[in-house]
Amino acid sequence: QVQQVQSGAEVKRPGSSVKVSCKASGGSFGNKAINWVRQAPGQGLEWVGGILPIFGSTLYAQKFQGRVTITADESTTTASMELSSLKSDDTAVYYCARGGYSVHDDDAFDAWGQGTMVIVSS
Amino acid sequence: SYVLTQPPSVSVAPGQTARITCGGDSIGTKSLHWYQQKPGQAPVLVVYDDSDRASGIPERFSGSNSGNTATLTISRVEAGDEADYYCHVWDSSSIHHVFGGGTKVTVL
Repeated sequence: QVQQVQSGAEVKRPGSSVKVSCKASGGSFGNKAINWVRQAPGQGLEWVGGILPIFGSTLYAQKFQGRVTITADESTTTASMELSSLKSDDTAVYYCARGGYSVHDDDAFDAWGQGTMVIVSS
Repeated sequence: SYVLTQPPSVSVAPGQTARITCGGDSIGTKSLHWYQQKPGQAPVLVVYDDSDRASGIPERFSGSNSGNTATLTISRVEAGDEADYYCHVWDSSSIHHVFGGGTKVTVL
């Protein structure tokens, strides 16, 4: 059974950066995309971007271009998302979610991490 | 950019049928997925590729997708079905994954 365990909650100052990790187990890691989805308090789901670990190919939502970097390490089956120049409205729960065989495909997200709360506050 | 529109809320009595819609331009031409999210928990895949149930999901959950509207139907609703439900597609034009705004299902 695929399981994805994320790093713990973070509190950050505006203008700083945060890096959230997602360790996968129980399934093949490299050939399935890992996506990042965030959810602001009381709000809906918003896609941030994704990576296909086997090739290191990435795709980012236009809204986050230039501020987000997603990486993956096949040796540790861990994906990470770093968001920089944090603002208060980046306060959200960030989820990793397993997708399909490409960062460009229309597969569902069939396995989700437990979520990581990121609070941006001065 | 592509937009998915869901009703904010749906209320249904136990044992009845709940229908949650997801509207979008020519959505019937896309693969549509549904997720269930209970308070304080991560989303869980319920239906994928319009009408296939995910592993472990009861047969009471079914999906359809045609024209400009996709529908998630929950038959014989139970108290445990109370949750937020989100639809999701891949938009190849904008090269983005897109989620609907979510629908809160309340069991009366």
